[in-house]
Amino acid sequence: GAGVSQSPRYKVAKRGQDVALRCDPISGHVSLFWYQQALGQGPEFLTYFQNEAQLDKSGLPSDRFFAERPEGSVSTLKIQRTQQEDSAVYLCASSKFLPRRGEKLFFGSGTQLSVL
Amino acid sequence: KNEVEQSPQNLTAQEGEFITINCSYSVGISALHWLQQHPGGGIVSLFMLSSGKKKHGRLIATINIQEKHSSLHITASHPRDSAVYICAVKAGQGGSEKLVFGKGTKLTVNP
Repeated sequence: GAGVSQSPRYKVAKRGQDVALRCDPISGHVSLFWYQQALGQGPEFLTYFQNEAQLDKSGLPSDRFFAERPEGSVSTLKIQRTQQEDSAVYLCASSKFLPRRGEKLFFGSGTQLSVL
Repeated sequence: KNEVEQSPQNLTAQEGEFITINCSYSVGISALHWLQQHPGGGIVSLFMLSSGKKKHGRLIATINIQEKHSSLHITASHPRDSAVYICAVKAGQGGSEKLVFGKGTKLTVNP
């Protein structure tokens, strides 16, 4: 596609419900990132994939958060037993090569998750 | 203390004014990004810097590695420049690919 696509755009969940957020990166992009952005704050790193390999998941706040990218393209961020503090915008970003090579990052519009 | 600090937090300007947004960081970095985020929209990458200065249209970004400081300048500002501008750094060591973001500077340009 032309850009990074995220779905759904908005998600309202009841506390305790499981949610799955999808990211379609730009075709052929090797690197994929998930970030969490709370209201009024800058994005915070969650996890990073290089192709299908999850190389860094140090930012995942708890074991309720799980991310996968099984075929090295589409990625899903799953949150189990959602809590109110999970309410945030979840951003996905991709780049063609490794970020250390100075590649530009392309961001999706995000999924705004509200947990009631 | 956050690793990445931006100032000011909020900035209001009149159309045509010269704008400067500052970013200071406390860690050694390999790259610094300036990003633009419109309300309800996604984030757009403006610049990626590892040294010196870059210019694109009315936007100029500079970085001083020794002083751990970067600035984003907007010349002849326009209401459509109204957005949140975010500075993000990639740590230079440890092999991590993650970016550490500042909290952003909300810019409002009035006609």
